[in-house]
Amino acid sequence: GESVGLHLPTLSVQEGDNSIINCAYSNSASDYFIWYKQESGKGPQFIIDIRSNMDKRQGQRVTVLLNKTVKHLSLQIAATQPGDSAVYFCAENRGNQGGKLIFGQGTELSVKP
Amino acid sequence: DGGITQSPKYLFRKEGQNVTLSCEQNLNHDAMYWYRQDPGQGLRLIYYSQIVNDFQKGDIAEGYSVSREKKESFPLTVTSAQKNPTAFYLCASTRVPNSPLHFGNGTRLTVT
Repeated sequence: GESVGLHLPTLSVQEGDNSIINCAYSNSASDYFIWYKQESGKGPQFIIDIRSNMDKRQGQRVTVLLNKTVKHLSLQIAATQPGDSAVYFCAENRGNQGGKLIFGQGTELSVKP
Repeated sequence: DGGITQSPKYLFRKEGQNVTLSCEQNLNHDAMYWYRQDPGQGLRLIYYSQIVNDFQKGDIAEGYSVSREKKESFPLTVTSAQKNPTAFYLCASTRVPNSPLHFGNGTRLTVT
């Protein structure tokens, strides 16, 4: 069935290295994508978003890349810090479904000091 | 500070009892959502409301009910008909479609 999925359930990186978290989506009608960070016992926190008319967007230490040809989304975190340790979710807004967000299963990022 | 408040943080109930989870927002957002999260999984949509006095079922609405009598409030009732109610429940809101959802910090419900 249709889904937003992640290639890797866990990712371990060294402090200071760059992290790349990947996400695949299957609905070509999706027109808006969001990355969230969730720390244990808390609600998801917005990181960055991108619309389907863009292929790259940068924030503070984060970059989101969108490849509509292969329906792939990635989140790059530069100079990863211990505070970046969390579960990261991608979510897609399927424009033909009333604006509902569909979430992937998440990738747990662990940063080693 | 503006935000979404979910209460209580932890809730324990016996099987067969209905329980209502509170969600209040002071962001002046029109749309509100309820998601369920199970361990190691993503979020699944239970119900959503795009305007006061109107709401729609999400992907897993069976065993749940909601109301939207005020813009600020979107309570979720977990009924005894919900077969696996133990989960982490997250409420969210947004100003307009195609904009980020703002989440509360969740209510962890345990039913024994």
